[in-house]
Amino acid sequence: ETGVTQTPRHLVMGMTNKKSLKCEQHLGHNAMYWYKQSAKKPLELMFVYSLEERVENNSVPSRFSPECPNSSHLFLHLHTLQPEDSALYLCASSQDVQGTYEQYFGPGTRLTVT
Amino acid sequence: GQNIDQPTEMTATEGAIVQINCTYQTSGFNGLFWYQQHAGEAPTFLSYNVLDGLEEKGRFSSFLSRSKGYSYLLLKELQMKDSASYLCAVRGLRSNDYKLSFGAGTTVTVRA
Repeated sequence: ETGVTQTPRHLVMGMTNKKSLKCEQHLGHNAMYWYKQSAKKPLELMFVYSLEERVENNSVPSRFSPECPNSSHLFLHLHTLQPEDSALYLCASSQDVQGTYEQYFGPGTRLTVT
Repeated sequence: GQNIDQPTEMTATEGAIVQINCTYQTSGFNGLFWYQQHAGEAPTFLSYNVLDGLEEKGRFSSFLSRSKGYSYLLLKELQMKDSASYLCAVRGLRSNDYKLSFGAGTTVTVRA
């Protein structure tokens, strides 16, 4: 248990569906992140939020839409996804975006797009 | 950009030692992290190096050589529970640098 929770843990959706992934951190951190993890590939940073403000959007397609209503919650809204978007989506948090703070990861949402 | 290389797989025997190497080519350097990830679970932080040398934490040690763009994670007295993927990640150096660049991970299998 790292103090970062994600729901759902597994999600199967069609290409025309709309769904949302939820992340919550109980660590009092100021920064939150979304990563995509595909098999045999490095983790890809998607979005970074610092104190609810988006500070990085790493060339992610618009079919992925993040939302950070407060420093403890982070959402990833999904719509009209493609089969190649199937992956493990990891949320992480850290004390701050700068400095040497390590990131704490949630268990991830295993997404399958059919 | 960052280029992080580590072996894909390694196998070792329970009680043995395994060394996982990581080489990086970056436009700048502001620290290197090692994470452990068991199958189906979250990556968990193992170690952080920013200066050259060896950092020891129990059975795990991490080494860094900035001039060579090289790090290794040393796992001693291997246990079955050490079977996992080990991720090397580098933080670059720019004015607002918070981005970690990850390697693809090294899957370590510990056999009895």
